[in-house]
Amino acid sequence: RKEVEQDPGPFNVPEGATVAFNCTYSNSASQSFFWYRQDCRKEPKLLMSVYSSGNEDGRFTAQLNRASQYISLLIRDSKLSDSATYLCVVIFSGSARQLTFGSGTQLTVLP
Amino acid sequence: GAGVSQSPSNKVTEKGKDVELRCDPISGHTALYWYRQSLGQGLEFLIYFQGNSAPDKSGLPSDRFSAERTGGSVSTLTIQRTQQEDSAVYLCASSQDGVSGDTQYFGPGTRLTVL
Repeated sequence: RKEVEQDPGPFNVPEGATVAFNCTYSNSASQSFFWYRQDCRKEPKLLMSVYSSGNEDGRFTAQLNRASQYISLLIRDSKLSDSATYLCVVIFSGSARQLTFGSGTQLTVLP
Repeated sequence: GAGVSQSPSNKVTEKGKDVELRCDPISGHTALYWYRQSLGQGLEFLIYFQGNSAPDKSGLPSDRFSAERTGGSVSTLTIQRTQQEDSAVYLCASSQDGVSGDTQYFGPGTRLTVL
């Protein structure tokens, strides 16, 4: 079983739709949580960190449930430019700051 | 300011040859990471450098892989006797000081193809 699991999709949604991605992680001794975005043939870029209290950045909302070992990302009013692969990322305790990536969820926003 | 840079952007080599991949981190960043991204495995950690500490090599897949970081800045990842399964995009990232919450900034990667 992978340490960080995501639904690979693809998710194809119309512009303006709300879409949610989920991610589970296997190790309860986890330290930090992130969502990264990766465009086709480009490097991953940090979208947002994820905190237990939940956090919002414009149209993006991230939630963390430590008890269930579950992370989510909600995108509201999706734009064409949101089309990308969204990577769930965890830093596990004792892992010397290395990022452990999920396999990514592919999103395509359709006009 | 300048981001993380990597060279070459693309490398095609023959099986059995050695290759060197270079990473220039963001100036002033003390932490440097190498990852690789392949179709079957996704993104996986290879090695981590933090300041003058001994590197964390726990992600290196075999002893054909090695990396060094000279002067706390530029890093070179070397793959000896390349195999076809080494074909992947090799990504370098750096962060300010490698502590909790530090953002890792990725370079554009080197796409390695082993024929």
